[in-house]
Amino acid sequence: SYELTQPSAVSVSPGQTARITCSGDILTKKNTRWFQQKPGQAPVLVIYKDSERPSGIPERFSGSSSGTTVTLTISGAQVEDEADYYCYSAAGNNRVFGGGTKLTVL
Amino acid sequence: EVQLVESGGGLVQPGGSLRLSCAASGLTFSTYWMTWVRQAPEKGLEWVANINEEGSGKYYVDSVKGRFTISRDNAKNSLGLQMHSLRVEDTAVYYCRASTGDLDFWGQGTLVTVSS
Repeated sequence: SYELTQPSAVSVSPGQTARITCSGDILTKKNTRWFQQKPGQAPVLVIYKDSERPSGIPERFSGSSSGTTVTLTISGAQVEDEADYYCYSAAGNNRVFGGGTKLTVL
Repeated sequence: EVQLVESGGGLVQPGGSLRLSCAASGLTFSTYWMTWVRQAPEKGLEWVANINEEGSGKYYVDSVKGRFTISRDNAKNSLGLQMHSLRVEDTAVYYCRASTGDLDFWGQGTLVTVSS
């Protein structure tokens, strides 16, 4: 089976930079997506292809990769960024989500 | 506006069957990979199955292989998930997802509860 490992929780104060990592052997082909999920809502794509930002996503969201680790960075985190974040990638025909990271901004 | 609307969820006994549907509108359905993702209560997201644009490629997480079948009808802009031999651990909100490139759309989900 394929696994992606994320920290269970990250906490920052408003205006600080939040970094959420995702590690796994399959993270070598620039095909990782990051999703944001707020309580009671469906997930929303915030990063694709490791570092590309979809239209409508604030510039404070960025992504990077190094070896088998990808990182979601929120520069100047806002209270409204408080949510669960999931990395998602592919291994052949399989797809896998990371376990999710609860980001607290307060 | 893109809309994905899931239906078919409900309460079913262990060992039972259920069919989920997803009606898509506002997008060129036949150009999107379609995926079912589930989320158990208070848990994270889990990829369940996906199907390519033409419907010729279907892939499943190991835990549902042989029990679930994903399908699509491009003429009707619809996605399906036939679920058999349901287990308590299949209890979750099931989301329908459409993706291509930087476009990624999700429905609001339908709840499946497997309980006696």
